Amino acid sequence: NAGVMQNPRHLVRRRGQEARLRCSPMKGHSHVYWYRQLPEEGLKFMVYLQKENIIDESGMPKERFSAEFPKEGPSILRIQQVVRGDSAAYFCASSEQKGVLETQYFGPGTRLLVL
Amino acid sequence: AQSVTQLGSHVSVSEGALVLLRCNYSSSVPPYLFWYVQYPNQGLQLLLKYTSAATLVKGINGFEAEFKKSETSFHLTKPSAHMSDAAEYFCAVTLNNAGNMLTFGGGTRLMVKP
Repeated sequence: NAGVMQNPRHLVRRRGQEARLRCSPMKGHSHVYWYRQLPEEGLKFMVYLQKENIIDESGMPKERFSAEFPKEGPSILRIQQVVRGDSAAYFCASSEQKGVLETQYFGPGTRLLVL
Repeated sequence: AQSVTQLGSHVSVSEGALVLLRCNYSSSVPPYLFWYVQYPNQGLQLLLKYTSAATLVKGINGFEAEFKKSETSFHLTKPSAHMSDAAEYFCAVTLNNAGNMLTFGGGTRLMVKP
């Protein structure tokens, strides 16, 4: 049973370009979470999605960032017009069901570097 | 709102020595607490979680943590460190009314000396 898959593992963008990060949850999981880890910091929650629905986006920056989890295919975190401050590791996690006791399984992350 | 503080961003122990990684939380309602480990260039792996059952929680790789409400703490321990334990460790909290959002501490990097 494959774990949470994220691609690309490393992404380099120049300021002003767009970054697209993909996350395929574990098989049978319909809940996806995105977290951001800035250098030397802990992970910060960004957004929680179920299939075709955004449940909680309280951690998403108001501009340039968007996320989706379509009926078919991976979840996508999209960053438009990237700036140097967007350089970070972006982690996706998935769980089978909703609930605080449901373990979130993390992917290996995408490390974004903005030049 | 909930928060987590991990005292000591870096901890160094000798192989075979006791490992103690500190975590204190703040929440207005009973919390659910987690410890995750992150090896270099990898994702986070769950070590253990507290879900209001037993206060002493045993996890994988010989780690355990004790929930102490009076001290608002959930420190992680292991009796004898192995070289393979060198990694970054994150404490996290979520609340029953916080949906599925995990709030993480800043992390503690554990170094194990031979």
